[in-house]
Amino acid sequence: DTGVSQDPRHKITKRGQNVTFRCDPISEHNRLYWYRQTLGQGPEFLTYFQNEAQLEKSRLLSDRFSAERPKGSFSTLEIQRTEQGDSAMYLCASSRSGRPQETQYFGPGTRLLVL
Amino acid sequence: GEDVEQSLFLSVREGDSSVINCTYTDSSSTYLYWYKQEPGAGLQLLTYIFSNMDMKQDQRLTVLLNKKDKHLSLRIADTQTGDSAIYFCASSEGNYQLIWGAGTKLIIKP
Repeated sequence: DTGVSQDPRHKITKRGQNVTFRCDPISEHNRLYWYRQTLGQGPEFLTYFQNEAQLEKSRLLSDRFSAERPKGSFSTLEIQRTEQGDSAMYLCASSRSGRPQETQYFGPGTRLLVL
Repeated sequence: GEDVEQSLFLSVREGDSSVINCTYTDSSSTYLYWYKQEPGAGLQLLTYIFSNMDMKQDQRLTVLLNKKDKHLSLRIADTQTGDSAIYFCASSEGNYQLIWGAGTKLIIKP
């Protein structure tokens, strides 16, 4: 069990640029989640996938945000035309459905700074 | 909407016990979780408790659940400097939706 991995760990970009983050879940986990976390707050849910299907999207996920999980394994989160308000830690988590509880395991996060 | 509340800070002396408290509003909460976040890192699952349990112990960690008062606590025995982190409480109805507290920063005094 290698855990959830995320790449890159840190990203600095200029306002208006596009950025893409990658998440590799725990291999036997069919569910994958994206969260955003700002300083002093708990994680805010953005979206989740079951296999390759995107089943839920938060209102926080504006049309500048898009997430994919094309083969039901890794996922990417893209932010277009970044704004300073997008600066945050982006967390990915995975879980296995069908268990008694949906325990989510988190990756180390990607910290984004938009200048 | 549903809410989870925690104190923002807790300061304890090294070697003492830490007790981090959490209250939640969702009476349908089936599972309650404690996650630990060290500076600049992701969230590490510490433990969870099912709503039909009152207590769960795992080495230095003891979770107490008062379902009537919707109160959850995490006790860390013999607190060490490595326990310095932010501790998040989260509730779930058993599906993917987690409702998170804002986190309690645990500060260890030498």
